[in-house]
Amino acid sequence: DTAVSQTPKYLVTQMGNDKSIKCEQNLGHDTMYWYKQDSKKFLKIMFSYNNKELIINETVPNRFSPKSPDKAHLNLHINSLELGDSAVYFCASSQDPQRAHNEQFFGPGTRLTVL
Amino acid sequence: QQQVKQSPQSLIVQKGGISIINCAYENTAFDYFPWYQQFPGKGPALLIAIRPDVSEKKEGRFTISFNKSAKQFSLHIMDSQPGDSATYFCAASMSPGTYKYIFGTGTRLKVLA
Repeated sequence: DTAVSQTPKYLVTQMGNDKSIKCEQNLGHDTMYWYKQDSKKFLKIMFSYNNKELIINETVPNRFSPKSPDKAHLNLHINSLELGDSAVYFCASSQDPQRAHNEQFFGPGTRLTVL
Repeated sequence: QQQVKQSPQSLIVQKGGISIINCAYENTAFDYFPWYQQFPGKGPALLIAIRPDVSEKKEGRFTISFNKSAKQFSLHIMDSQPGDSATYFCAASMSPGTYKYIFGTGTRLKVLA
């Protein structure tokens, strides 16, 4: 049983296109995250959602728009893709960290390549 | 203040040896320090975590040593195995949860057979 799943696993697209990445967790968690991992493996938070509400937006360009239709899903839509958006994007989830420090469970990642 | 500095960037160890990865932080408000392990093509997974009220935590071959006064913590992998070859990330967060970890820059560990 997959805890945190992402689709697609690979995404190759042209500059200027719009694309979406979907994430689902079946752990019953309240909080979900999007991370970007660049070519040097540096892992950086982009967004955090708690109970469908945006909590953190780490100065991500407006071209990136997360959407959480329910607590189990957090999708990422990217407009006008640029070369610099090429990276691996990870979705993660956890219990509400306001209650306790909780392990973040990561999805398998989506490798986005912008040509 | 929000950074976590991790070293070395890469590490090669012989099978059976000890792997040591170090992290340092500035923000004294951090009070939770997890280590994540990432295999190629996979997402990071929690390996072990520590809070500053203890100086050491051990789980199997993996040990975190924590020095609160120096604001440093390290991961020791005893009897390193080729299957331990992965990228390791330290991280830090604070209470109440800030909804994000501050991750170190990662260490690529290769254990030679």
